[in-house]
Amino acid sequence: DAKTTQPPSMDCAEGRAANLPCNHSTISGNEYVYWYRQIHSQGPQYIIHGLKNNETNEMASLIITEDRKSSTLILPHATLRDTAVYYCIVRAYTGNQFYFGTGTSLTVIP
Amino acid sequence: SQTIHQWPATLVQPVGSPLSLECTVEGTSNPNLYWYRQAAGRGLQLLFYSVGIGQISSEVPQNLSASRPQDRQFILSSKKLLLSDSGFYLCAWSPLTLHTDTQYFGPGTRLTVL
Repeated sequence: DAKTTQPPSMDCAEGRAANLPCNHSTISGNEYVYWYRQIHSQGPQYIIHGLKNNETNEMASLIITEDRKSSTLILPHATLRDTAVYYCIVRAYTGNQFYFGTGTSLTVIP
Repeated sequence: SQTIHQWPATLVQPVGSPLSLECTVEGTSNPNLYWYRQAAGRGLQLLFYSVGIGQISSEVPQNLSASRPQDRQFILSSKKLLLSDSGFYLCAWSPLTLHTDTQYFGPGTRLTVL
């Protein structure tokens, strides 16, 4: 699975959009981009995933660049409950392990 | 809807004691099941995965074992715990589909070995 690079930490004001970047320059054609988040002392929570088209669900939007070498997770209206570590993971759609790196620690500030 | 349960939520055990952690999934059939461990401040490490009853694959050699006695039940065990077995243990499941195998995680068990 391709490696991903994320900033270690970010702050966002409550009510504003949180834009979390991820670089995956070595991504292969059959690899998807997944986003999970982990609130302290809880299991990781699936957010969204995509292959090459932008995706949106009730939690977030995923914007993937045309060359697929980077992506951005957007939380449109961040709340205090969105404070968590966000993980960007790249992998083929079948595989055994999700490789969680160190992620981005997002703090939503009141 | 599908739900995944793990128990106990927390556990403190002495070195050398046995271990049994249980994971059950509801609302789905024939899921793939996974056990991960997360050490403090670190990423997740896959320990075992199972594609069916009695079918267990181990990713790393260790002091632990896994079993799947029923379709939606996954058990993590040890005969004698080591200090290094401390950590946050996560069970996950994924559906059997052709297009995606997004994994969904349980709430986890925090194990402290003293």
